Amino acid sequence: DAKTTQPTSMDCAEGRAANLPCNHSTISGNEYVYWYRQIHSQGPQYIIHGLKNNETNEMASLIITEDRKSSTLILPHATLRDTAVYYCAALGNQFYFGTGTSLTVIP
Amino acid sequence: EAQVTQNPRYLITVTGKKLTVTCSQNMNHEYMSWYRQDPGLGLRQIYYSMNVEVTDKGDVPEGYKVSRKEKRNFPLILESPSPNQTSLYFCASTTGFNEKLFFGSGTQLSVL
Repeated sequence: DAKTTQPTSMDCAEGRAANLPCNHSTISGNEYVYWYRQIHSQGPQYIIHGLKNNETNEMASLIITEDRKSSTLILPHATLRDTAVYYCAALGNQFYFGTGTSLTVIP
Repeated sequence: EAQVTQNPRYLITVTGKKLTVTCSQNMNHEYMSWYRQDPGLGLRQIYYSMNVEVTDKGDVPEGYKVSRKEKRNFPLILESPSPNQTSLYFCASTTGFNEKLFFGSGTQLSVL
């Protein structure tokens, strides 16, 4: 079963790109990588997911390494409202969430 | 509005007193699951259900029960709560594999 590991916390200047890494070295070939974020104690909100190829949507970009052992979530122009805890998760027969990265966007 | 509804939002109880946290979704999702969230430990899955009458243990099932008699409902049952079950609980659902998971607003449970 895949497990994910993330840094505990990160800072980013407002307007700059925020790059949040995730290691998932035990992920298998058919397991997707998902990213969610959680503001305060609200329910986590979906951001993006992918399998092998890089993905982009209106919220973020997801870069997955060729060996699929790690990925990076990119928020291209961080705002103060992006301050949150970001979770990387792997989907096999169930979702496996990491412990999350607390991102603080600094004015 | 598509949503996952949990009740209650806050619950304080005493050790040993049986309780049920309800979860309902209006999106006709087949997959539903329960998570607990504790400081420093992230989200850990308790139980999940792939469809009606099909449930499986997650990573931390001890002390919990679930049932899936109807597609829309997936209650979490604590038959004899203990203080170590004090936590923030989330219910979630999705239509299937490779789809995003929708979360409820959470239930903050305190067991005294």
